[in-house]
Amino acid sequence: DTGVSQDPRHKITKRGQNVTFRCDPISEHNRLYWYRQTLGQGPEFLTYFQNEAQLEKSRLLSDRFSAERPKGSFSTLEIQRTEQGDSAMYLCASIPFQGQETQYFGPGTRLLVL
Amino acid sequence: AQTVTQSQPEMSVQEAETVTLSCTYDTSESDYYLFWYKQPPSRQMILVIRQEAYKQQNATENRFSVNFQKAAKSFSLKISDSQLGDAAMYFCACPYSGGGADGLTFGKGTHLIIQP
Repeated sequence: DTGVSQDPRHKITKRGQNVTFRCDPISEHNRLYWYRQTLGQGPEFLTYFQNEAQLEKSRLLSDRFSAERPKGSFSTLEIQRTEQGDSAMYLCASIPFQGQETQYFGPGTRLLVL
Repeated sequence: AQTVTQSQPEMSVQEAETVTLSCTYDTSESDYYLFWYKQPPSRQMILVIRQEAYKQQNATENRFSVNFQKAAKSFSLKISDSQLGDAAMYFCACPYSGGGADGLTFGKGTHLIIQP
């Protein structure tokens, strides 16, 4: 299967620790998106990349959050000094190119901050 | 950023019956895409149907169809002949900014229950 993959699927951490998540988009998809989904809510847009360029960041992406896509393939999302409010599902999605807007989602990484 | 409102937190329908999920949105764009995504329990989001705003004709995908009212900024989803596998959270989405390739804004979702 060549769908969007995310690693890890689950992460439990203590408040104040740093965590990093990885997303591997579908091969040759040049746009990659990160979302956060809290319990009972819809996904909230965080940021997106076109190839290696980060083109937009939402106000939700505080200074403790950083995302990279260094070679235009996989992406990482790092949260520094985690807080309990960071507990959520972090979703990644990709599209092949602008003009093909349907986003293909990964299974998500569920983060629990104790 | 745009906004999406789904006013039905939960809907219940008998198997084989028809159900309509409502969605309203707000965007300043003139050309954009709208989406309905499905999220089954503990499974990933998958596209149900999408609508291009410049198209007058409502999109249809097998048992799924939309009623798109551009002037009213309304985008409802109709599921015909409901099946047990349709049980899931359904999210309506519009572009976060731009026309659709720049990220999506989702509603809070509607939990669809299918009664056998």
